[in-house]
Amino acid sequence: VQLVQSGAEVKKPGASVKVSCKASGHTFTGNYLHWVRQAPGSGLEWMGTINTNSGGTRYAQKFQGRVTMTRDAAISTTYMEVARLTTDDTAVYYCAKEDYSTPGPIYWLDPWGQGTLVTVS
Amino acid sequence: SYELTQPPSLSVSPGQTATITCSGDKLGTKYTSWFQQRPGQPPLLVIYQDNKRPSGIPERFSGSNSGNTATLTISGPQSMDEADYYCQAWDNSIVVFGGGTKLTVL
Repeated sequence: VQLVQSGAEVKKPGASVKVSCKASGHTFTGNYLHWVRQAPGSGLEWMGTINTNSGGTRYAQKFQGRVTMTRDAAISTTYMEVARLTTDDTAVYYCAKEDYSTPGPIYWLDPWGQGTLVTVS
Repeated sequence: SYELTQPPSLSVSPGQTATITCSGDKLGTKYTSWFQQRPGQPPLLVIYQDNKRPSGIPERFSGSNSGNTATLTISGPQSMDEADYYCQAWDNSIVVFGGGTKLTVL
């Protein structure tokens, strides 16, 4: 099971960025894929999640209206786009697969992608 | 919104036990995960479902969760365990992370 993300990006303030996360080694559909970011020297911040089967999404309130998560099941790839970038969006962006077990159900995030550095300057 | 609180830092000697706490309202009613993050690396799951270790995680890592506090314990930490550690829980389908604890092994 592996998640491979797209390469680093440099963007101007006001622009948009789209980061991809390609899954291999497991069934793509029927899972939730989460996006988490980490600003330099800061902790982990959850941005939202997408159901890779239905395409349904849930975003953290902070990012609603500015972040869009989509997926292309044919190529086992999930995308996360951030619009209207500011310097505060400079961060490493991670995707992470939600796994679960029953009964419960019980959820956890594993594995994670290698991260994509987005620099807004 | 739900919050998880961790101490910013912890220093231990290799022969000691490292105990990292994570506090949140009624946290014991939720399942907690713990992640290790070394510099320049993505987070690595070391504990899930409060006390389960994924395959490949050494036995010196253990976890517990009761009341308002979840705890990650590293018995006999090694220099390779020096890293940032984050707790995480779900609150109404929202993922919440603690602020992280920087563990130094002296």
